[in-house]
Amino acid sequence: QVTLKESGPVLVKPTETLTLTCTVSGFSLSSTGMGVSWIRQPPGKALEWLAHIFSNDDKSYSTSLKSRLTISKDTSKSQVVLTMTDMDPLDTATYYCARINNTYSSSGYYYYYMDIWGTGTTVTVSS
Amino acid sequence: DIQMTQSPSSLSASVGDRVIISCRASRSISNYLNWYQQKPGKAPNLLIYAASSLQSGVPSRFSGSGSGADFTLTISSLQPEDVATYYCQQSYTVLYTFGQGTKLEIK
Repeated sequence: QVTLKESGPVLVKPTETLTLTCTVSGFSLSSTGMGVSWIRQPPGKALEWLAHIFSNDDKSYSTSLKSRLTISKDTSKSQVVLTMTDMDPLDTATYYCARINNTYSSSGYYYYYMDIWGTGTTVTVSS
Repeated sequence: DIQMTQSPSSLSASVGDRVIISCRASRSISNYLNWYQQKPGKAPNLLIYAASSLQSGVPSRFSGSGSGADFTLTISSLQPEDVATYYCQQSYTVLYTFGQGTKLEIK
């Protein structure tokens, strides 16, 4: 059974750095073509993709948050870590990690999608 | 970045109704479009990938269609358990983006 579990602080102060950990089980972070995304959702608002990292260590970041984000993985620990610097009250949200899986189509293309999600961890930014 | 726009933002329908949710990309994304369902207080759940492929375990009343920049999610016969917010998401570029969501309620 594939599971992902987010962990990190519940409360951070403005200007601090947030470090979130996604611990996965049931699949390997070195599995070809697979990856892990981080997504957040402020209270009552829409989902926002933040970053992802693939098995080959390819990384991508949200354009609007790129300067504040760093994603990394420790395959031996089955963990993906996201750091976000200079936290602001507007960063208050539920943060999810999700597995990126893929399907190879008969037309010769790979399709990527987030098929398994963690339950999320709520982070509040307040002094 | 590719912008994703969903319509309507919310809708109310009766049990048994056919429901259609639209998603438009700011430019062509071929069929690199996924749909998720998020029930209140829960994490999102993948419904459809590659615009029209039904994820394993998802009821067959859900279907997706479209290509290029315009896509639809259809629920053929609305059930009470379908109350949720639905999101589209493009994977055409490595910079994934979600639509703003469509909140579906029962009338």
